[in-house]
Amino acid sequence: ETGVTQSPTHLIKTRGQQVTLRCSSQSGHNTVSWYQQALGQGPQFIFQYYREEENGRGNFPPRFSGLQFPNYSSELNVNALELDDSALYLCASSRDENTEAFFGQGTRLTVV
Amino acid sequence: GENVEQHPSTLSVQEGDSAVIKCTYSDSASNYFPWYKQELGKRPQLIIDIRSNVGEKKDQRIAVTLNKTAKHFSLHITETQPEDSAVYFCAATPVGWSNTGKLIFGQGTTLQVKP
Repeated sequence: ETGVTQSPTHLIKTRGQQVTLRCSSQSGHNTVSWYQQALGQGPQFIFQYYREEENGRGNFPPRFSGLQFPNYSSELNVNALELDDSALYLCASSRDENTEAFFGQGTRLTVV
Repeated sequence: GENVEQHPSTLSVQEGDSAVIKCTYSDSASNYFPWYKQELGKRPQLIIDIRSNVGEKKDQRIAVTLNKTAKHFSLHITETQPEDSAVYFCAATPVGWSNTGKLIFGQGTTLQVKP
């Protein structure tokens, strides 16, 4: 059984650009949640996808958007990047809404 | 909205001693409380979780207690070892959600276990 994998591991972007981060959920998992973790802080919930539909959203602006594909992998898109978007972006997958969530290793995004 | 407060922010103990980390939450409807361990540069890993219908749960050297009346829960690590050194995060389900993937995290506790 493969774990949760994210790509890329590191990324540097310029303010105003757009970025796409990818997450492959663990085998058999249909739920993917995305989090932003600023340095020295706990992860903050961005949104969740369940069977290809958005299933709840945290306090993030609309320039943060996502997708989930039929194989349950997921993308996080961020438009009009700001310096404050620099963070570790984590995705977590679970078998369904009520079972343990497993995190990927994260994508470190730096906006300059 | 839901808020989770975690204390202390840093904790230093001698190897073999016990460590206790405490969290309080604001929404009495929260019903799932996991604890994650995050080593430097690595992913958060679930170490133990508890649901609101249980007051205590143990797994070897780790235990979690939940007091729903007071809205707080605690992580207890006994016989600490140097490999327990990491950042520990508590979390709770936010207002109106019963979902293990939608979590509000505390600010984290950096635990240092001195040999």
